[in-house]
Amino acid sequence: SQQGEEDPQALSIQEGENATMNCSYKTSINNLQWYRQNSGRGLVHLILIRSNEREKHSGRLRVTLDTSKKSSSLLITASRAADTASYFCAFAMNRDDKIIFGKGTRLHILP
Amino acid sequence: DSGVTQTPKHLITATGQRVTLRCSPRSGDLSVYWYQQSLDQGLQFLIQYYNGEERAKGNILERFSAQQFPDLHSELNLSSLELGDSALYFCASSVDGRGGSKQYFGPGTRLTVT
Repeated sequence: SQQGEEDPQALSIQEGENATMNCSYKTSINNLQWYRQNSGRGLVHLILIRSNEREKHSGRLRVTLDTSKKSSSLLITASRAADTASYFCAFAMNRDDKIIFGKGTRLHILP
Repeated sequence: DSGVTQTPKHLITATGQRVTLRCSPRSGDLSVYWYQQSLDQGLQFLIQYYNGEERAKGNILERFSAQQFPDLHSELNLSSLELGDSALYFCASSVDGRGGSKQYFGPGTRLTVT
């Protein structure tokens, strides 16, 4: 299957702690994106990292990409209750191909 | 608010029926994508259109069809509905439709087939 795999499937942490989610894929990619989905809502784009980049930051988000291991990680620092959501990685294999979404990690921030 | 609109929000219908879901992309976006999200299958890409033409096809059943109109809005038609078609259907849009383009998602249509 071309689908990405997120790990873990679910994660519960205390508010204020850091949350790390991982995504693995099987083919060469053009870029990799992370999206957030609040329960029953549409996905919201968080960050895009290109295949020639190794790390990217956006606010409390840090994304890394290791193309040799075909994996990416999303780190959310100083988590907040509002970060409770599902997080999906998505990748495109080349410039004209469709995006493939992983199965997602459900993150629950405990008060 | 992503700027992508979908109607209706909820739809309840019986097996064997046909429904049409509608999507209006963000202003300026030329490409529209349709996804199906169910609990057991995750987010499945169905089909993509770019400026009225089909660009990419995913796991779309033959009972399903879609089109993008000259004003760039899109419709997803689901026919001979089965219980297993119950899911959230999302539309997304992007500026150029290239692989890996940032996509803006609509709020979804929740379809329940009884």
